[in-house]
Parts: sequence; structure tokens; C-alpha cells
Amino acid sequence: GAVVSQHPSRVICKSGTSVKIECRSLDFQATTMFWYRQFPKQSLMLMATSNEGSKATYEQGVEKDKFLINHASLTLSTLTVTSAHPEDSSFYICSVNVGQTYEQYFGPGTRLTVT
Amino acid sequence: SQQGEEDPQALSIQEGENATMNCSYKTSINNLQWYRQNSGRGLVHLILIRSNEREKHSGRLRVTLDTSKKSSSLLITASRAADTASYFCATSGGYNKLIFGAGTRLAVHP
Repeated sequence: GAVVSQHPSRVICKSGTSVKIECRSLDFQATTMFWYRQFPKQSLMLMATSNEGSKATYEQGVEKDKFLINHASLTLSTLTVTSAHPEDSSFYICSVNVGQTYEQYFGPGTRLTVT
Repeated sequence: SQQGEEDPQALSIQEGENATMNCSYKTSINNLQWYRQNSGRGLVHLILIRSNEREKHSGRLRVTLDTSKKSSSLLITASRAADTASYFCATSGGYNKLIFGAGTRLAVHP
């Protein structure tokens, strides 16, 4: 498997500010990472696929200018929520694939609250 | 977009009982996976069943897949309080992207 960390685990910010969330693959070099969003008592919704060294691929309906993804190294992807609004409050989770398997390994998630 | 539905949405049972959760999906798949999520945490992979498999076991878990009905079930036998969590099915059709079902919230009471 793979060990994935996220930082911070919780963040509270004011409306209009930007927040950066880090996702690190601690023991595996990940060319691809995935970012999900989860609202309370709901399922995970894939936001984007983060590709090392190239632009992220966003899912339909996800604003690429609002959710900036940078995957500058094989162990780190960042998600920046720009000009955050209360409706962006959610649980953000990243994951990585390992090798040729279809299994994904998830980070512990980041709880974002925008006031 | 979500792939499909899971039922029940919530399930409450006593320790020792079996828990069965069902998942339906809409498109062709390479495989179907089940994940577990404890409250406020990330997801943990439980089991993967390929499209050419019909049943798979892992410890107290049994997963079935019926591609003709586009459905899968997860059975947890002899449940324990520690099994309390949300369970999600996820399908993979390509590019390693996972599409998750709505999830079942399982509560196991001691």
C-alpha cells in the first residue's frame, strides 16, 4: 500500500481568503493523485486528477480557477481553494494509486470551514 | 458524478449479526471496490472484485458482483461494534478514476 498524509487536518478561514491543502505520498512516488470533496453525510465527489509535471484534469462542473492544483513533485500535490466562500466548506480528501492496481490509498482528509 | 445508489442508506444492527449492503452502478466497469470510512477520516480499501469475478472473500467480508444486473453486495459476518462506519462502493471504468456510490452508514450496537 501507500501512506498518504494531508496538512492541515482542519482549517478555518474567513470568506474571501485562500487556503492551501497539502497531500503527501510518504512512501510511494505518485505520478497521479486524486482530489475529492465530501459534504456531510454524502459520498465522495471526484474534483480533479493531479498529474505530476503537467496540468490537472478537472471533472465537469469544478472550477479550475477556483481550485488550483499543483503537483510539482512525485510526493506532493497541493490544492488551493481561492477566494473561499462558506459554500466551499467541506471535507477535502486526496488519494494515490499504487503501481498497476486499481486500489487507491487515501489521506486522512482536511476539514475546511469558511466563515 | 456519482455512479449509482447504495442501499440501505443506513443500517443498525446488534453485534454478532450479519450486515448486508447493496450497490448498483450504471456503466460498464473494470472492477468494483468497497471502502470503509470512519467518521471524519479518510477511506480504507477493503476489497476489490474484478468484472469477471462473481464472488470474493476476505476475512469476515464477502462481496458478490452481478454484472448483468449492474449490482454488488457486501456482507459483513459476525459484526462487531468496531465495524461501525460508512461503507462505499466504487467503480473503475478507466484511467484509474473511481466513482463512488452514495454509501451505507452502518451502526453496530454492543
